[in-house]
Amino acid sequence: GNSVTQMEGPVTLSEEAFLTINCTYTATGYPSLFWYVQYPGEGLQLLLKATKADDKGSNKGFEATYRKETTSFHLEKGSVQVSDSAVYFCALSPYNNAGNMLTFGGGTRLMVKP
Amino acid sequence: AAGVIQSPRHLIKEKRETATLKCYPIPRHDTVYWYQQGPGQDPQFLISFYEKMQSDKGSIPDRFSAQQFSDYHSELNMSSLELGDSALYFCASSQPGTGRYEQYFGPGTRLTVT
Repeated sequence: GNSVTQMEGPVTLSEEAFLTINCTYTATGYPSLFWYVQYPGEGLQLLLKATKADDKGSNKGFEATYRKETTSFHLEKGSVQVSDSAVYFCALSPYNNAGNMLTFGGGTRLMVKP
Repeated sequence: AAGVIQSPRHLIKEKRETATLKCYPIPRHDTVYWYQQGPGQDPQFLISFYEKMQSDKGSIPDRFSAQQFSDYHSELNMSSLELGDSALYFCASSQPGTGRYEQYFGPGTRLTVT
């Protein structure tokens, strides 16, 4: 079956530090990959996506590249801010068609200190 | 921009009672997904609907049922509630017919079973 594995948190960084959150996946075919962010007490917000190999998703300074050869989709940001503190979920959707569920990783809590 | 609306936001029920959660997708989105997120856990897919037909089924208990109506809103019906059903229930919507498969999440309904 499909699965997503993320590095365990919490990840604690100082403001302006470089962020990497590792994500690897197992899936058949050519899944679409996503990063979602969840702020305390809120729902999941789509952060970025990539739908095919070598695609780079980016948004709000965050980036992730779909690496089929290593089955990875690591999240990076060059300079984190206190406001980036949240839980980050890596997720995959197995096919590029209608009605396909997301499989999530376990989530990684990021804490950014001033 | 319009987002996914869920109601109620909070719900407290006793064991063996029933509950109905409602989801109103983003306008023109024809696919709805339901997820359950336990405390400190990643969201788990329950069920999805495309054009008012069930499209995928995940780990949804037999005590739960759901449907999508002609206006595309969806309801999750939960009966014989158990303590273990206490969780955040998210609805998400997407518009795969346009080639955009990303799912947009509502703020969630927090169900507490006592």
